[in-house]
Amino acid sequence: DTGVSQDPRHKITKRGQNVTFRCDPISEHNRLYWYRQTLGQGPEFLTYFQNEAQLEKSRLLSDRFSAERPKGSFSTLEIQRTEQGDSAMYLCASSLLSGVYNSPLHFGNGTRLTVT
Amino acid sequence: GENVEQHPSTLSVQEGDSAVIKCTYSDSASNYFPWYKQELGKRPQLIIDIRSNVGEKKDQRIAVTLNKTAKHFSLHITETQPEDSAVYFCAASKGVSSASKIIFGSGTRLSIRP
Repeated sequence: DTGVSQDPRHKITKRGQNVTFRCDPISEHNRLYWYRQTLGQGPEFLTYFQNEAQLEKSRLLSDRFSAERPKGSFSTLEIQRTEQGDSAMYLCASSLLSGVYNSPLHFGNGTRLTVT
Repeated sequence: GENVEQHPSTLSVQEGDSAVIKCTYSDSASNYFPWYKQELGKRPQLIIDIRSNVGEKKDQRIAVTLNKTAKHFSLHITETQPEDSAVYFCAASKGVSSASKIIFGSGTRLSIRP
C-alpha cells in the first residue's frame, strides 16, 4: 500500500490555460474524492466517485471543472480556462465502501495550483 | 445541504493542559464524524472518528464526544504536547447513503505553548 498519490505536486499556469491533475487512489479503494483547500480553510468538497460512477458534484463547481474515473482506478480533474480564483491546493482522497460502512478517507499530498 | 461549523478558529494552550474543539452540524441524518489533523505543508490525516451509535470514543490522549440531540460533537486532547500543534478539522457525513460526501469544518489552529 503506497497510499494515495497525486501528480503533479505543483502546477503554475497562466490564466485562461487548461490544466489536468491525476490521482491514483489506494488500490483496493472503490471511492475517490476531490477536494479543494485554500489557505486557512477546511477541504471543500468538489466531487466523488464510486468505482467509475460520479455520484455527486458540488453545486459550487462551475462547468469549467470536470472529473473522470474511466476504469474505476485513477482519476483526473481538469480545469478549463483557469482563473486566478482557482489557485488552491487540490486534494484527492480515497476510501473503501464495504457493506454498510465507508472507511476513513485517506488523502494524497495534493496538487498546488497557482494561476498567474 | 450539510453544513459543519467549527470553533474556535485558533486555540493556544499551555503544554500539559487540555484542549477542546467544538463542532456543530446541520443535517440530522449525519452519522459519521471524523477528525483530521493537518500539519503544516502535509496532508490531512485521520486521528479519531465516531459513529452516531456511540456517544464517546477515546484513544489514548484523544477523545471525541457526540450529542446527537444537539447536533454537536467535540474533540478533547489531554496532556497536550508540542507535537499536537497543527490544524484540526472536524467533518460529518451520512456515511451509508448514496450521498455520503464528507463535509469539513473550517479548522482550528492549535498551538501548544512550552
